[in-house]
Amino acid sequence: GQQLNQSPQSMFIQEGEDVSMNCTSSSIFNTWLWYKQEPGEGPVLLIALYKAGELTSNGRLTAQFGITRKDSFLNISASIPSDVGIYFCAGQLITSYDKVIFGPGTSLSVIP
Amino acid sequence: NAGVTQTPKFRVLKTGQSMTLLCAQDMNHEYMYWYRQDPGMGLRLIHYSVGEGTTAKGEVPDGYNVSRLKKQNFLLGLESAAPSQTSVYFCASSYLAGGMPTGELFFGEGSRLTVL
Repeated sequence: GQQLNQSPQSMFIQEGEDVSMNCTSSSIFNTWLWYKQEPGEGPVLLIALYKAGELTSNGRLTAQFGITRKDSFLNISASIPSDVGIYFCAGQLITSYDKVIFGPGTSLSVIP
Repeated sequence: NAGVTQTPKFRVLKTGQSMTLLCAQDMNHEYMYWYRQDPGMGLRLIHYSVGEGTTAKGEVPDGYNVSRLKKQNFLLGLESAAPSQTSVYFCASSYLAGGMPTGELFFGEGSRLTVL
């Protein structure tokens, strides 16, 4: 069954606003990753996190690996129209490094 | 620079027919994965491979078989297609760092399969 929960399920925001989304689980993860998918394409890696408490930025994106190893968040600052897409959190369970498990996704719409 | 290539991109099958999806990667990655994507469900892992000649079951393996005879190719087979297998299928590959899987996946563009 689904081991990762993402919220919110969808977001509609004005251009220029900041965005925050998160991912939680009852299981402990060794790695947290955030991917973005645009229509008709495969997901693309945005940020990878490997240590509990790690805070990493990639341009306007910032993500953190929760200290309990059971959660992560992604923030997008000053959103622009090209941020539109589905954002997935993913991770490698501490009990199964070989698998990469995905959350159900957060759909982001940006209103110009 | 091709990366991960999936064929075919689109296919329509009748219930009970069989087919094979091909995934090819040119990055010399050890790990390869097959996922299916359905609305509201995210990506669910079907099968994966940690190296040539090896395969393992993911979250939703029933009704699918896979083979990894060559390092660069990962095949997904449906022996007897069912309407519940209508989905978009994604292949991905990944590399090791320090001998450990990184989880950093490179995806193909997807294969849309419809089973009538």
